[in-house]
Amino acid sequence: LAKTTQPISMDSYEGQEVNITCSHNNIATNDYITWYQQFPSQGPRFIIQGYKTKVTNEVASLFIPADRKSSTLSLPRVSLSDTAVYYCLVGTTSTGGGNKLTFGTGTQLKVEL
Amino acid sequence: DGGITQSPKYLFRKEGQNVTLSCEQNLNHDAMYWYRQDPGQGLRLIYYSQIVNDFQKGDIAEGYSVSREKKESFPLTVTSAQKNPTAFYLCASSIGPRRSGTEAFFGQGTRLTVV
Repeated sequence: LAKTTQPISMDSYEGQEVNITCSHNNIATNDYITWYQQFPSQGPRFIIQGYKTKVTNEVASLFIPADRKSSTLSLPRVSLSDTAVYYCLVGTTSTGGGNKLTFGTGTQLKVEL
Repeated sequence: DGGITQSPKYLFRKEGQNVTLSCEQNLNHDAMYWYRQDPGQGLRLIYYSQIVNDFQKGDIAEGYSVSREKKESFPLTVTSAQKNPTAFYLCASSIGPRRSGTEAFFGQGTRLTVV
């Protein structure tokens, strides 16, 4: 899997939009970009996944530039409950030969009133 | 309901004893994974399996063992050789080679404390 780099932490206030950027310079042609959210003492939860351009679902948007060497998770109007660690993963499980899902250190988002 | 189940949620063991953590999924997923998480740290991959009767070492396999005799089950044994076994252990599954992307589903974790 391609190595990823994210900020260690970010702070925000309720109602603001939060953008977390992930760098993945050596992303491969077949790789997808996936984001997870983790609350303390729980397993990570899938948020969103994309391959190129923009993907939007009910909780977030994912922006991927044409060169795909980075991606940005956008959380609109965050609330206190969005305080969590956010992980960016790059890779694919579709190739054979033992594909790993390797998580980086993630970004700790803290939302305050 | 479909999902991935880890048991027990909390586990206490004496130093030097082996202990086995259970992970079961009914999602019909081919791939399963075990991670370790220490306080304030990210997830580190212990072992993973892409298919029944096959598994590979992850980044921190020393002191751990696994088996994959059934598609639904991927138990992890923490052996006495693991020098610092106290941690939060997470099991995950994904569709695997049948589909692209890296969407995985996680269990609620087992917190192991060795005294």
